[in-house]
Amino acid sequence: AQKVTQAQTEISVVEKEDVTLDCVYETRDTTYYLFWYKQPPSGELVFLIRRNSFDEQNEISGRYSWNFQKSTSSFNFTITASQVVDSAVYFCALSEAPGYSGSRLTFGEGTQLTVNP
Amino acid sequence: DGGITQSPKYLFRKEGQNVTLSCEQNLNHDAMYWYRQDPGQGLRLIYYSQIVNDFQKGDIAEGYSVSREKKESFPLTVTSAQKNPTAFYLCASSYSTGGPTEAFFGQGTRLTVV
Repeated sequence: AQKVTQAQTEISVVEKEDVTLDCVYETRDTTYYLFWYKQPPSGELVFLIRRNSFDEQNEISGRYSWNFQKSTSSFNFTITASQVVDSAVYFCALSEAPGYSGSRLTFGEGTQLTVNP
Repeated sequence: DGGITQSPKYLFRKEGQNVTLSCEQNLNHDAMYWYRQDPGQGLRLIYYSQIVNDFQKGDIAEGYSVSREKKESFPLTVTSAQKNPTAFYLCASSYSTGGPTEAFFGQGTRLTVV
């Protein structure tokens, strides 16, 4: 069975600090996809990134960066120079690929990030 | 604008009543999903549908039912058999080919049993 663990329930930082959100996953499949979503107070989930299990390159998008390490089954997310608008709940999610397409996801419990001015 | 529309935003249900949550998308996606979110927890999959007139149970389907008569619509009925229905319900859609793809989410329906 798949499982995603986000051990940090809540994180509070001051604006301009860097912050890393941890994500550890479990799966028996060799092919899988990992996702990060942001849930602002309005409620809808906003897609941030998708990575497949064969691509371990780190990725940077503006102030966001992701570190994928298969050896430790981790897919951590770093926000550089955080801003108040980054305050939200962030979810890490896993999707198995074999025999299925679409986006049937197993989510972690989420990390509530609060960025204080 | 393309997107997913969920209605109503807030819904109150009396004990023993069935209620139906609406989800409509105009993204031309084949696949649609219903997730349930409880406070402090991640999302859990209730039902999903990859094509019209077909749907599959997710991890917590008991007490729920769905239909998929049109590509654009995937309503969820919370039946009286669902013992603890108070939660935030999110509908999503995605393409269903080419491997797991990003899902687009609606703004959710908050259901409260009174």
